[in-house]
Amino acid sequence: KAGVTQTPRYLIKTRGQQVTLSCSPISGHRSVSWYQQTPGQGLQFLFEYFSETQRNKGNFPGRFSGRQFSNSRSEMNVSTLELGDSALYLCASMEGWTRTEAFFGQGTRLTVV
Amino acid sequence: AQSVTQLGSHVSVSEGALVLLRCNYSSSVPPYLFWYVQYPNQGLQLLLKYTTGATLVKGINGFEAEFKKSETSFHLTKPSAHMSDAAEYFCAVSFNAGGTSYGKLTFGQGTILTVHP
Repeated sequence: KAGVTQTPRYLIKTRGQQVTLSCSPISGHRSVSWYQQTPGQGLQFLFEYFSETQRNKGNFPGRFSGRQFSNSRSEMNVSTLELGDSALYLCASMEGWTRTEAFFGQGTRLTVV
Repeated sequence: AQSVTQLGSHVSVSEGALVLLRCNYSSSVPPYLFWYVQYPNQGLQLLLKYTTGATLVKGINGFEAEFKKSETSFHLTKPSAHMSDAAEYFCAVSFNAGGTSYGKLTFGQGTILTVHP
């Protein structure tokens, strides 16, 4: 099976712009969750989608949003980018309703200038 | 609320020495516990997990961890360090309490392991 695929791997955006990141989970997995990783805050949970519905949400402003499509692929959008949004964004794929094991993609490195 | 504390942001060992990375958790319900490894500019790779059953769990690359409920700990060990073990290690917790508890991992701050020749 192919692993979790995140695109693009690297992205440079200007403050005030918006960005969309993509994540394709492992085939058959219906859950996709997103995490932000920064040196100062570590790994923080953004949100999780299961069967196209957001099931869980972290403590991030409304500028961070996401969605999941019928094929389980997910996108995350960040609007009105700020310098502090520079981070590694990781996507995780989980199988089944109990979602006990997360498989991570390589991440998208977002730099806001 | 659940939380994870990793004791020691940096651990340095010699090649061939014992590796011990410490993790303590706080959870009001039985936890699921995980150790992940991350190499520079890479994603997270699962080393091992505890969900139920045997409290001593073995993972990849010779790592193992023991769930100790009384100590709320899940320390990661490896008998003999190898240069390729140098990376950052994350302990994480989730719990099976239904509803919005699903699908969310709470991570510790990470421990950078350095292995000296």
